[in-house]
Amino acid sequence: AQSVTQLGSHVSVSEGALVLLRCNYSSSVPPYLFWYVQYPNQGLQLLLKYTSAATLVKGINGFEAEFKKSETSFHLTKPSAHMSDAAEYFCAVSASKAAGNKLTFGGGTRVLVKP
Amino acid sequence: NAGVTQTPKFQVLKTGQSMTLQCAQDMNHEYMSWYRQDPGMGLRLIHYSVGAGITDQGEVPNGYNVSRSTTEDFPLRLLSAAPSQTSVYFCASSLQVIDPYEQYFGPGTRLTVT
Repeated sequence: AQSVTQLGSHVSVSEGALVLLRCNYSSSVPPYLFWYVQYPNQGLQLLLKYTSAATLVKGINGFEAEFKKSETSFHLTKPSAHMSDAAEYFCAVSASKAAGNKLTFGGGTRVLVKP
Repeated sequence: NAGVTQTPKFQVLKTGQSMTLQCAQDMNHEYMSWYRQDPGMGLRLIHYSVGAGITDQGEVPNGYNVSRSTTEDFPLRLLSAAPSQTSVYFCASSLQVIDPYEQYFGPGTRLTVT
C-alpha cells in the first residue's frame, strides 16, 4: 500500500522568507503526486501536480515542487512567503494512471506566517 | 457553475442515529468521491463512484453507504452513527475516471456524534 509522510505538522515562517514543506512517499510504481492547499473553513484546492513530465512543477500562487525519484520526495517551496499563504497544505499520491483519482493523503502541514 | 456543493455544513447526531450527507456537482463530472478529514491523518477515502450506478469502497468504508443514481448527486449515508465518525467530510468530483485530473472539493460538512 502506498503512503505519504509530511514532515512537520506545523511550520512557522516570517513574511518574505522561504517556505519549504517536505513530502516523502512510498509507491511501488512511478506515482502521480499532488499538493493541495486548504484555507480555513474551506475545501481543498489544487496547487500543483506531477504526472511524469518535467520533474520541476510550477503551481499557482508562486509555489513549485520538485520530484526526486531517488529520494522518493516531492517537496513544496515558495521563495517568499506572504501572509495569504497561511493555510494547511496536503501532499497526496496516486499509484498509477488507472487509479488516477484515488488519492492517498499525507497528514498535512499547517503554515503560520509571521509579520 | 456552483461547483461542488454539500449540505448541511454542520450536524450534530446522537449515537445510533442515521443521516445522509448531500453532495451535488454541476460540472458533469464522471468521478465523485467522499473523504473524511481527521487531525493529523489528512484525508481518507470512504467511497467513490466512476459514474451513475457504479460505486466502490475506499480506504475506510465501514459504517457508510453510498449510491449514485444521477451524474450530479452522490449522497453519503451514515447507517448508525458512532462517536468515531465525528469528522469533517468532503465530497470531491473530477472530470474523468482515469488520469490524475484535478479534483474539485466541496466546502465540507462538520459532523459531531455524541
